[in-house]
Amino acid sequence: EIVLTQSPGTLSLSPGERATLSCRASQSVDYNHIAWYQQKPGQAPRPLMYGASIRAAGIPDRFSGSGSGTDFTLTISRLEPEDFAVYYCQQYGSSVTFGPGTKVDIK
Amino acid sequence: QVQLQESGPGLVTPSETLSLTCTVSGGSISSNYWSWIRQSPGKGLEWIGYVHYNGNTNYNPFLQSRVTISLDTSKNQFSLKLRSVTAADTAVYYCARNQWLPHDVFNFWGQGTMVTVSS
Repeated sequence: EIVLTQSPGTLSLSPGERATLSCRASQSVDYNHIAWYQQKPGQAPRPLMYGASIRAAGIPDRFSGSGSGTDFTLTISRLEPEDFAVYYCQQYGSSVTFGPGTKVDIK
Repeated sequence: QVQLQESGPGLVTPSETLSLTCTVSGGSISSNYWSWIRQSPGKGLEWIGYVHYNGNTNYNPFLQSRVTISLDTSKNQFSLKLRSVTAADTAVYYCARNQWLPHDVFNFWGQGTMVTVSS
């Protein structure tokens, strides 16, 4: 099983700042099959990115993804008030597993 | 726009079988792969398994011995059965649609249903 580790656990930032979230895999992820989700309280996860760097439908371009192999990054270029949430990475290169999440909260 | 809605009991007795149904609207279940995912404070998000419209299934190895996922094309629904439940199976259960692949990003989700295992 591929284990995903996300860091930091919590990121405290102000609106307008840049957020950089990390997702590290215990082994190389085939085809860079990494997805990112945003989850707000009481809601289902919302897909943001897939294939490590492809934005899902309707996702604004302040969200970007990068990385390959075992190290992947989600960047939010300028935080909007609605971006404060928990973010999860998921790998689907070998079965499916999720990371534990990074909470982005307001500083 | 595809929409998914979970339904089923919110409380299950230990050792019994958890049964949930996902009703799909705005699209046919006779395409794509359809998955169940759960989320608990202790284990985070956990993929349970998928079913394809041709009946093929694949399950999380850690749950495989207790899980069955099936679909009913006449009702545009798919279902989850998890046998011999314990308190560790207490979670929010989501149904979701895979984008294209057997193992894939989940691009449509239900709102989730809380299931508590308790006597």
